Parts: sequence; structure tokens; C-alpha cells
Amino acid sequence: EDQVTQSPEALRLQEGESSSLNCSYTVSGLRGLFWYRQDPGKGPEFLFTLYSAGEEKEKERLKATLTKKESFLHITAPKPEDSATYLCAVQAPPGGYQKVTFGTGTKLQVIP
Amino acid sequence: EPEVTQTPSHQVTQMGQEVILRCVPISNHLYFYWYRQILGQKVEFLVSFYNNEISEKSEIFDDQFSVERPDGSNFTLKIRSTKLEDSAMYFCARTSEGSTEAFFGQGTRLTVV
Repeated sequence: EDQVTQSPEALRLQEGESSSLNCSYTVSGLRGLFWYRQDPGKGPEFLFTLYSAGEEKEKERLKATLTKKESFLHITAPKPEDSATYLCAVQAPPGGYQKVTFGTGTKLQVIP
Repeated sequence: EPEVTQTPSHQVTQMGQEVILRCVPISNHLYFYWYRQILGQKVEFLVSFYNNEISEKSEIFDDQFSVERPDGSNFTLKIRSTKLEDSAMYFCARTSEGSTEAFFGQGTRLTVV
């Protein structure tokens, strides 16, 4: 059974204090690893897809990296508007692209 | 402008009643999905719908659930006889062909009493 574990469950940062969120996964034949941002009471918002170990993607203050066992979401100099829950999800055979397994998320709070 | 609009935003229903949740994709896309998120728990895949047919479903998506695209624009999730444990946020999503970027709706909060 595919498993996704995110840590920490919650993270409180000062504005400008860089940090990383972790997503550890156990799948047979990873097809894709997704990062989403979720604001309270809203649907997930797509951030990145990573396909193979060594791959990196960036968007503004966010950078996602992937190894064979885990992914990191690095947040550089965060701002209060980066406060949200960050979700990791994996997709592996035999499921199709969106039959993904989500982690429980990391709730990030950035203090001004 | 949201990519996907869901209605209603909140629905309260009595146990055993049927509910229909609606999703209106703005663009003419072929790939649609339903997910649910029980309060405080992780997002769970329910079903994917491609070219007007179910392409995949999870163990959660049992005979109580059905999906259809009745008029070519709305995409619906029906729960025939709701249970207390069906209380959750239900999200509709869509992707474009060849893309892994999924656009989620704002969700429908279903409360079964």
C-alpha cells in the first residue's frame, strides 16, 4: 500500500526565516509526486509535479526537490501570505495520474 | 475567475437521503475527478472520469456513489443514501490532456445529520 508521511505536522516561522518541509513516501514505481497548497476551507492549489530523483522545480519562494525516498519543499524568506497547509501526494501504478495518495499535510504559519 | 465552480458550497442532509453535488468546469475539458476530505484528515481520491466514462475509482467509491455528466457541462457526484460518515468536504478537479496540473474547485461541505 502506498504511504505518504509529511513532517512536521505544523511549523511556525518568523517572516524571512527559511525552512524545509518533508514528504517521505513508500510506493512501488513512483510516477509522479505532487505538491499542493491548501488554504482553510478551500481546495488544493497545484504547485509542482516531480517525476524522478534529482529533479528540482521552483516557483517564487518555493523550491521542491525529489530523492528516491522523499521530497522537500524549501521555503526561502517566507512571507505571511505563505501561511497555508502544504500537501504532498504521490501517484504510482496501477493508478492513473490523479489516483493519488495524499499525505496529511504540514500546516505552515508565518509570523510577521 | 475560478477554473472549477462547485455548488452548493454547503449542504446539510438527513441520513439516508440522496444528495447531488455539482461541478461546472469553465473550460471544455475531458478529465474530471472527485476527492473528499473528512475534517482533519487527508484528501482522498474517489473517482476519475474521462470522456464521459469512469476511468478509475477507489475503494471508497462503492455502489452508494455515482458520477455523470448529464448535460455536457455539469459534472455531478451522487450519494444515494447518505451516512453520517459521508460528512466531508467534496472537491471536484479537472486536468487537461497531457498535463498533471489539477485545478480544484472550492469544495462542497456535506454535513449528514
